[in-house]
Amino acid sequence: ETGVTQTPRHLVMGMTNKKSLKCEQHLGHNAMYWYKQSAKKPLELMFVYSLEERVENNSVPSRFSPECPNSSHLFLHLHTLQPEDSALYLCASSQFWGGVGYTFGSGTRLTVV
Amino acid sequence: GQQLNQSPQSMFIQEGEDVSMNCTSSSIFNTWLWYKQDPGEGPVLLIALYKAGELTSNGRLTAQFGITRKDSFLNISASIPSDVGIYFCAGHSQGGSEKLVFGKGMKLTVNP
Repeated sequence: ETGVTQTPRHLVMGMTNKKSLKCEQHLGHNAMYWYKQSAKKPLELMFVYSLEERVENNSVPSRFSPECPNSSHLFLHLHTLQPEDSALYLCASSQFWGGVGYTFGSGTRLTVV
Repeated sequence: GQQLNQSPQSMFIQEGEDVSMNCTSSSIFNTWLWYKQDPGEGPVLLIALYKAGELTSNGRLTAQFGITRKDSFLNISASIPSDVGIYFCAGHSQGGSEKLVFGKGMKLTVNP
């Protein structure tokens, strides 16, 4: 039990599909993050939520749509993705925005065909 | 933007050997962190460093926060097969962006 749970672990979707990634944490953390991890690239921060409000959006295309209904749950809604969007999508949480003790989930391996 | 240069990018070592890796930046950081990512999993925090010059150990791992605040290194002694994975450095600077900046990672392979 890592404290941050991501589902599904693996996802294959067509470019016209709509799917959602889910992240859940029961650590009492107030900040949650979505990262994209591609081969041979640094972790790319996509979105930051602090106390359920989006505080950062790093120029992410609109085909990625985050949602944070409460401090324990974070979603990433996907639609009309491109093959280059295939990557490992990691969710993380920290006690507060700006805190350094990130706890990561195991990630969702996404393949766009 | 801030970038971290992590080297080497990969290493192949024999079980029992020591390994060193480092991270450098053009910017000053107030916190340095080292994470390990096992295959198919998310990164897990190994060591956090909060003070320039700080040397911290966690079992066979030793990490140091550089005096200039622009670098950090991680040593693993007497490597074992379960040390296999990707090691990331990360830096955090207060007063600017609140996000962590990650290095590209160092892939470690340990041959039994």
